[in-house]
Amino acid sequence: GQNIDQPTEMTATEGAIVQINCTYQTSGFNGLFWYQQHAGEAPTFLSYNVLDGLEEKGRFSSFLSRSKGYSYLLLKELQMKDSASYLCAVIDSNYQLIWGAGTKLIIKP
Amino acid sequence: IAGITQAPTSQILAAGRRMTLRCTQDMRHNAMYWYRQDLGLGLRLIHYSNTAGTTGKGEVPDGYSVSRANTDDFPLTLASAVPSQTSVYFCASSAIAGEETQYFGPGTRLLVL
Repeated sequence: GQNIDQPTEMTATEGAIVQINCTYQTSGFNGLFWYQQHAGEAPTFLSYNVLDGLEEKGRFSSFLSRSKGYSYLLLKELQMKDSASYLCAVIDSNYQLIWGAGTKLIIKP
Repeated sequence: IAGITQAPTSQILAAGRRMTLRCTQDMRHNAMYWYRQDLGLGLRLIHYSNTAGTTGKGEVPDGYSVSRANTDDFPLTLASAVPSQTSVYFCASSAIAGEETQYFGPGTRLLVL
């Protein structure tokens, strides 16, 4: 079966750095997305990786290792507004998006 | 309209009733999707449409039907609602099916009693 694993919840301190991991086992791989979802709101796009390596976008970076079936989202200089759930999703061989259950990130002052 | 809209925002529905959730996008995206999101389970695909006039079944299609008569609209119908269909429903669209970023509507919160 297809599976995407993320930690259920993480806690970090304002101003710090946090890394949210995602491991996947899917039938094929055609790319990986990270989305942010604030409570009660819709998911919004953060990043897309299809090649190995690090993609940096401001305070957020996303890393992919296809050989390891592994990605992480790195958030720097954490702000209170970063409190949200972070969803990892993989495009499989049928070009369907398989979603992880999400990681709830709690930022403490 | 800017992006994707969904209606209603929320609904309480008696079991056995028929209900249509509406979704409209103005981005001229070819592909559209319906997801349900339940606590601890993440987003699950109900139905999708790669282009107007075509639809396909996702991971959890039972009890739901869709139609795609034109590019902009993708309604989701619950023929006879059951309590297990209590969930938050998100409509999404992407320029093309597959590798493109999906953009989400604000969601419909449905409670079936």
